[in-house]
Amino acid sequence: QKEVEQNSGPLSVPEGAIASLNCTYSDRVSQSFFWYRQYSGKSPELIMSIYSNGDKEDGRFTAQLNKASQYVSLLIRDSQPSDSATYLCAVNSYTSGTYKYIFGTGTRLKVLA
Amino acid sequence: DAGVIQSPRHEVTEMGQEVTLRCKPISGHNSLFWYRQTMMRGLELLIYFNNNVPIDDSGMPEDRFSAKMPNASFSTLKIQPSEPRDSAVYFCASSLSTGVVYNEQFFGPGTRLTVL
Repeated sequence: QKEVEQNSGPLSVPEGAIASLNCTYSDRVSQSFFWYRQYSGKSPELIMSIYSNGDKEDGRFTAQLNKASQYVSLLIRDSQPSDSATYLCAVNSYTSGTYKYIFGTGTRLKVLA
Repeated sequence: DAGVIQSPRHEVTEMGQEVTLRCKPISGHNSLFWYRQTMMRGLELLIYFNNNVPIDDSGMPEDRFSAKMPNASFSTLKIQPSEPRDSAVYFCASSLSTGVVYNEQFFGPGTRLTVL
């Protein structure tokens, strides 16, 4: 089992719809969770971080964390073609005396105009 | 702030040659990460430093790869000798760690390495 799993997609949604991206992780002691966006040929950029259970909203983005079920999700409301990119989930945990910062392989999102 | 700076942006070399990638982290950040990204394997963590000390190099693929961080503002990733399968985009990222929590990482623009 991979430590951080994401569906590779592509996930296609029409413009204006809600895009839902999901991520599961295996390490129960994971403490902090991040969503990065990566446009083709560019470097990843942080869009959301979440540390406690529940929802965190920032503009059109909402991150949801459920530690009991070990998943974190990202909702993008009113999706725009400019949101088309690969979304990477990252999980940070401290186990066996070292830090681990693990990225998933990413979900490719296509927003159709 | 200028962000994370990487050089060169593109590198084309022949198999067997030594390759050195360079990174300048964001001023004030105390953690630095080297990643490799390919279509097949996604984003892989190679090594990371905390306060200039290597913490975990378990992602370094083999002895041909080495990394150093002689001071807080500079790091290198060296491949010697290079092989075609090393072709990838190499990213450097930095962050500010506080206690046991690593905060968000800021990525450099990457170095696209092609080994012929």
